[in-house]
Amino acid sequence: DVQLQESGPGLVKPSQSLSLTCSVTGYSIINSYYWNWIRQFPGNKLEWMGYISYDGSNNYNPSLKNRISITRDTSKNQFFLRLNSVTTEDTATYYCARVRGNYEFAYWGQGTLVTVSA
Amino acid sequence: DIVLTQSPASLAVSLGQRATISCRASESVDNYGISFMNWFQQKPGQPPKLLIYAASNQGSGVPARFTGSGSGTDFSLNIHPMEEDDTAMYFCQQSKEVPYTFGGGTKLEIK
Repeated sequence: DVQLQESGPGLVKPSQSLSLTCSVTGYSIINSYYWNWIRQFPGNKLEWMGYISYDGSNNYNPSLKNRISITRDTSKNQFFLRLNSVTTEDTATYYCARVRGNYEFAYWGQGTLVTVSA
Repeated sequence: DIVLTQSPASLAVSLGQRATISCRASESVDNYGISFMNWFQQKPGQPPKLLIYAASNQGSGVPARFTGSGSGTDFSLNIHPMEEDDTAMYFCQQSKEVPYTFGGGTKLEIK
């Protein structure tokens, strides 16, 4: 079965960039589906950030404007999140997730907490 | 963006009784005859788990006491009979269009 695992720094300074990796096993990211980043703020609010499709195309939440980039390394079966110019408001648990047939988020990583602080 | 309003924000239900959580969308999430509404359960320290997809279809391994209903803009998640293991946060989410959005969550506890 497909499994996802996030990794990356747990602490980022304000104004810097946040970079996370999602490593996927059990399914090729170029086979099908959308590969997503979702974050959960303290207080439990969930926000969909964007995805990279199996064909390499992207779709991003307009709320993140031009700060977000999702890319991939197909040879390693990984995809990546980069969020620029972070502030303390970007402190959250970040999840990677894969959709299924009706675009429901059926598979999730365990999440990684990223704190933005000087 | 499609705004999802969940109610109540918190709920306490006795063991064996019914819990009902509602989710109202700011516009219809129906398309191609499918209601693109999903429900998740989240326990502390864990990612959300898919319970219900396309309004009324149970996710893999989800017990039959979890049922979803609704269409258009009004949806419900029912849990009956309530068990101790059902103590958790519950979220609705629409997958009709991007940006995909989530409800604010309902905290379900045992009375």
